[in-house]
Amino acid sequence: QVQLLQSGAEVVKPGASVTVSCKASGYTFSDNYLHWVRQAPGQGLEWMGWINPKSGATNSAQKFQDWVSMTRDTSISTAYLELDKPTSDDTAVYFCARIQYDVLSGHYTMDVWGQGTPVTVSS
Amino acid sequence: QAVVTQEPSLTVSPGGTVTLTCGSSTGPVTNSHSPYWFQQKPGLAPRTLIYGTINKHSWTPARFSGSLLGGKAALTLSGAQPEDEADYYCLLSFTGDWVFGGGTKLTV
Repeated sequence: QVQLLQSGAEVVKPGASVTVSCKASGYTFSDNYLHWVRQAPGQGLEWMGWINPKSGATNSAQKFQDWVSMTRDTSISTAYLELDKPTSDDTAVYFCARIQYDVLSGHYTMDVWGQGTPVTVSS
Repeated sequence: QAVVTQEPSLTVSPGGTVTLTCGSSTGPVTNSHSPYWFQQKPGLAPRTLIYGTINKHSWTPARFSGSLLGGKAALTLSGAQPEDEADYYCLLSFTGDWVFGGGTKLTV
């Protein structure tokens, strides 16, 4: 079955960097874009960006463009989200989600989500 | 960046009907915004209920439906069940960028 398995919880000190991974299985990794979404404690969902695993092209929300990197390694069907020098405001659960095209409706959907990776920024 | 607005909280009686809405600061929500609706329960990842305004997944209970209503995207729950108590988020597309609403806490 289609799954997105994310890496485990991270604790990172301010000024350091952290990378979250999202490993795909059950489908051809390059065929589907992936979104990244985060959720701070007790807060709502926040869209961060997407990556096209086939080309490596990305698009991210403006607030993340200078310090967040989305990459992938197609040989191991894994996407990565790197946060460069996050602050305590970036403490959140980070999710990846697969984008699937629905032929019948002509629309895209996020049909599979990773389980989420908690990232805590703390000294 | 556009601001997407939802009711912070709503309450519905078991078996009742409730409509959640999703508005945009840029103007009326249309099909071009490709509205999504997600359900999230505590400690779990979100689950997509509706995409492309009206389309359902195989796992979406028939009692949920999506529409456009009065310039907003809408999620209607007809015949609420206790298990529908959750947070609900809408998501809109703005020419390649996506913005979530603040979420609606639905109490059944």
